Amino acid sequence: TQLLEQSPQFLSIQEGENLTVYCNSSSVFSSLQWYRQEPGEGPVLLVTVVTGGEVKKLKRLTFQFGDARKDSSLHITAAQPGDTGLYLCAASSNTGKLIFGQGTTLQVKP
Amino acid sequence: EAQVTQNPRYLITVTGKKLTVTCSQNMNHEYMSWYRQDPGLGLRQIYYSMNVEVTDKGDVPEGYKVSRKEKRNFPLILESPSPNQTSLYFCASSSWGTATYEQYFGPGTRLTVT
Repeated sequence: TQLLEQSPQFLSIQEGENLTVYCNSSSVFSSLQWYRQEPGEGPVLLVTVVTGGEVKKLKRLTFQFGDARKDSSLHITAAQPGDTGLYLCAASSNTGKLIFGQGTTLQVKP
Repeated sequence: EAQVTQNPRYLITVTGKKLTVTCSQNMNHEYMSWYRQDPGLGLRQIYYSMNVEVTDKGDVPEGYKVSRKEKRNFPLILESPSPNQTSLYFCASSSWGTATYEQYFGPGTRLTVT
């Protein structure tokens, strides 16, 4: 069974701090996505990475796909209270089956 | 507005009473999927469908059924619900032509089985 391990599971930081969330697997994936979920809502796609070594930026968020396409990281610079939420990584194979990591709950305190 | 809708949003039922959760999308997506979300376990895929009349099992299909008779609809059926199916359920859709399966999620259905 393919697994995606996310770390840390919980993160509580002060506004203005930087943080990194990791998503690791022993399997190679054709693409990897990051989602953000707020309480009472469905996850919303942030980014998709496809190429090994790819780096994508979304304002203060930086996403990286590992060279071997087995892992990814999400780095947030100068976190703000509005970044609070559950961050999920997800990976797909070319069969259409998707797997999700357990999620990282981020709390940013003012 | 492009969206995925689910009904009902909240449901409390008793063990063994058949129920159906509906899912509909208006984006003409080929790919649709059902997930359950439980604390500490993240999102787990129940079933997915690559197109009309094509469905496949995800990681946790036991106790669930699905059908895909029309492109826009993908209902989830629990023939005989049990308390361990108490969970938050999400339907999602995607255009699979890009092969990245970027998911658009519905708002969720919170199911409690007593």
